[in-house]
Amino acid sequence: SQKIEQNSEALNIQEGKTATLTCNYTNYSPAYLQWYRQDPGRGPVFLLLIRENEKEKRKERLKVTFDTTLKQSLFHITASQPADSATYLCAPARNRDDKIIFGKGTRLHILP
Amino acid sequence: GAVVSQHPSRVICKSGTSVKIECRSLDFQATTMFWYRQFPKKSLMLMATSNEGSKATYEQGVEKDKFLINHASLTLSTLTVTSAHPEDSSFYICSADPRGDTQYFGPGTRLTVL
Repeated sequence: SQKIEQNSEALNIQEGKTATLTCNYTNYSPAYLQWYRQDPGRGPVFLLLIRENEKEKRKERLKVTFDTTLKQSLFHITASQPADSATYLCAPARNRDDKIIFGKGTRLHILP
Repeated sequence: GAVVSQHPSRVICKSGTSVKIECRSLDFQATTMFWYRQFPKKSLMLMATSNEGSKATYEQGVEKDKFLINHASLTLSTLTVTSAHPEDSSFYICSADPRGDTQYFGPGTRLTVL
């Protein structure tokens, strides 16, 4: 069955450093992969989408990579700030009609 | 653009009652909406896919008679939790996808069944 794993439940990073979150998937060949941010008691908010033919995508301080050989996506936040503290979810999908399955998420804490 | 709203944001009810949660796409039409449930510190679990004008598609293990879904228009889907019990207490979130590749989520509904 399809499996999505995010590297750890929680990650503590010092403010100003780069936070790197990992998403691995098995038994799955997604055509694209999305990253979302979720704050406590709120719905997820879309951050970035990367397609299988793209190696890297950037948006301001965010960078996502997608390695279909390793079946892995990395999500980077550079110059991290306490306001970046949240849970980050990865969500691969095969095509536009496919339901999106979420990983368990990684709770990121940026320490001041 | 791509705003999804939910109502109510929070509901407390007695065991055995039914609760209806609305999900609206405010600035786009959505032939498909998704309903998720999230327990504390757990991931979003897809419950069902709501299809405008046709029956919803439920995920394995989700009781269709327990969680009634109605998608009567292109901007509104409703989830009714029938005969709610304390174990149904959870955070219910809907989403819709205006472009076919990005989910926009509602703010969620916190259901507490006493």
